[in-house]
Amino acid sequence: SQQGEEDPQALSIQEGENATMNCSYKTSINNLQWYRQNSGRGLVHLILIRSNEREKHSGRLRVTLDTSKKSSSLLITASRAADTASYFCATDAGLNFNKFYFGSGTKLNVKP
Amino acid sequence: ETGVTQSPTHLIKTRGQQVTLRCSSQSGHNTVSWYQQALGQGPQFIFQYYREEENGRGNFPPRFSGLQFPNYSSELNVNALELDDSALYLCASSLAGLKHTDTQYFGPGTRLTVL
Repeated sequence: SQQGEEDPQALSIQEGENATMNCSYKTSINNLQWYRQNSGRGLVHLILIRSNEREKHSGRLRVTLDTSKKSSSLLITASRAADTASYFCATDAGLNFNKFYFGSGTKLNVKP
Repeated sequence: ETGVTQSPTHLIKTRGQQVTLRCSSQSGHNTVSWYQQALGQGPQFIFQYYREEENGRGNFPPRFSGLQFPNYSSELNVNALELDDSALYLCASSLAGLKHTDTQYFGPGTRLTVL
């Protein structure tokens, strides 16, 4: 399966600490996207990183992509209680640009 | 808010019934994808429509079907409902074309319970 898989499955940290989540996938991709989901609601898009990019930033978020290792990481700096959510990476299906695969997510709990 | 809306919010059906879920895409978006998300799992790709034509399908049986209308709103139809169809159904719209990937914007989802 090409499905992206996040690691760890669950992460609990204190407010102010940094949180790092990883995503691994199996076949070549065109891009990888990170999403956040609060309590079974809709997914919120965080960052899209294309296969020819290595790093992207958005506010307190930093995403890296290593295509040689088929992996990506999402770093949230100075976490807040409001960051508590599930985080998913989604990879596209190579030649099929618009078919996306999600992993099972990382559940992040930020304690105040 | 993403500008993508879904209706209804919640739905309860019994096994064997049929259901239609609706999605209104973000203005100007020509592509819509549907996903099924079981409890505790990531979303699973059902299918995608681009300019009213199906453009890719995941590993779902034919009783899952869809439509995209000229105004780019869409429907997901599920026939002969099974207990395992209980899930959160998400639609996502984007500007992506046949050979291009763009950010997907998700709606809040429809929670379907099959009894």
